[in-house]
Amino acid sequence: NAGVTQTPKFRILKIGQSMTLQCAQDMNHNYMYWYRQDPGMGLKLIYYSVGAGITDKGEVPNGYNVSRSTTEDFPLRLELAAPSQTSVYFCASNLAGEETQYFGPGTRLLVL
Amino acid sequence: AQSVAQPEDQVNVAEGNPLTVKCTYSVSGNPYLFWYVQYPNRGLQFLLKYITGDNLVKGSYGFEAEFNKSQTSFHLKKPSALVSDSALYFCAVRELGYKLSFGAGTTVTVRA
Repeated sequence: NAGVTQTPKFRILKIGQSMTLQCAQDMNHNYMYWYRQDPGMGLKLIYYSVGAGITDKGEVPNGYNVSRSTTEDFPLRLELAAPSQTSVYFCASNLAGEETQYFGPGTRLLVL
Repeated sequence: AQSVAQPEDQVNVAEGNPLTVKCTYSVSGNPYLFWYVQYPNRGLQFLLKYITGDNLVKGSYGFEAEFNKSQTSFHLKKPSALVSDSALYFCAVRELGYKLSFGAGTTVTVRA
């Protein structure tokens, strides 16, 4: 199993540009999550999904969108990039009934 | 809302000495508590969890954590720290639907 994979590893965006952060897992996990990590702030939940076709907002959803068309994939969309979205983004997943979340390696995003 | 707090931004210890990373929680009901570790430029890795049962929980890499209900704490411990334990440690508490709320993180530096 590859576990949770994320692409790209690093990206520089200009203000106003858009991009999609990719996340995939091959563990057949129902639950998937997107977090952002800022220094000294821990991880904040952006969006999560409890299964294909079902998504919901987390703590900091503004400026982001998600979709979950398959069990495996959970892309995160930034429509109009802003400097405040400079962060490290982590995708995670878990199986319903299991408490442990498995994290991807992260995507470092710089918005200039 | 469930929350955790990590009162120390940094912990510095000498190799071979005991390591403690502190975490306190605020929850309604019984807490589901977790410790994750993040090595430089990597995603988070699960260390251990408390769901119910014994107050002393053993986890990966020789770490353990003690759940203390009266003090609402869940401190992470290791009897003899290694230089390779230098990393960023996060305490987390489960919210509804397997979502996790993370503390701000504690940077551990173990000097040789």
